[in-house]
Amino acid sequence: NAGVTQTPKFQVLKTGQSMTLQCAQDMNHEYMSWYRQDPGMGLRLIHYSVGAGITDQGEVPNGYNVSRSTTEDFPLRLLSAAPSQTSVYFCASRWDRRQETQYFGPGTRLLVL
Amino acid sequence: GNSVTQMEGPVTLSEEAFLTINCTYTATGYPSLFWYVQYPGEGLQLLLKATKADDKGSNKGFEATYRKETTSFHLEKGSVQVSDSAVYFCALSSKGGGSNYKLTFGKGTLLTVNP
Repeated sequence: NAGVTQTPKFQVLKTGQSMTLQCAQDMNHEYMSWYRQDPGMGLRLIHYSVGAGITDQGEVPNGYNVSRSTTEDFPLRLLSAAPSQTSVYFCASRWDRRQETQYFGPGTRLLVL
Repeated sequence: GNSVTQMEGPVTLSEEAFLTINCTYTATGYPSLFWYVQYPGEGLQLLLKATKADDKGSNKGFEATYRKETTSFHLEKGSVQVSDSAVYFCALSSKGGGSNYKLTFGKGTLLTVNP
């Protein structure tokens, strides 16, 4: 199993550009999440999904969209990037909402100029 | 709402020193508690967990005990190694109550172990 994979590893954007951060898992996990990690802030939940076709907002959802058309994939979209979205983004998955051990991807480092 | 407070770093120790990283929490109900570790350039990995009061989680020489009376889950290791240098995150997961079992993380503590 590849586990949780994320692409790209690093991206530079200009303010106002759009992009999609990809996340995929091959463990047939129902529950997937997106976090951002900023210095001194820990990890903050952006959006999450408890299964295909179901998504919900986390702690810091503004400026981000998600969809979950398949069990495997959970892309995160930035429609109009802002410098405040410069961060490291982590995708995570687990079997279902009650299975509490979460598996993290390697992260995407995003710089918005 | 739920929250996790852990000691601010950075923490710098010499090899074979004793490690304690404090973690306290606020949550409704009876959460599960976790320590995650992030090595440089990598994602987070689960280090240990405890799901009910007085449970002790342990892994790789690290231990933490779920103390409901003090709402704490302090991480300890008797003798650290250079390879333990990483960022450590305390986290909790609330069960039910509409929380959808979301994880709440502390801000992280950077540990550096010198030879």
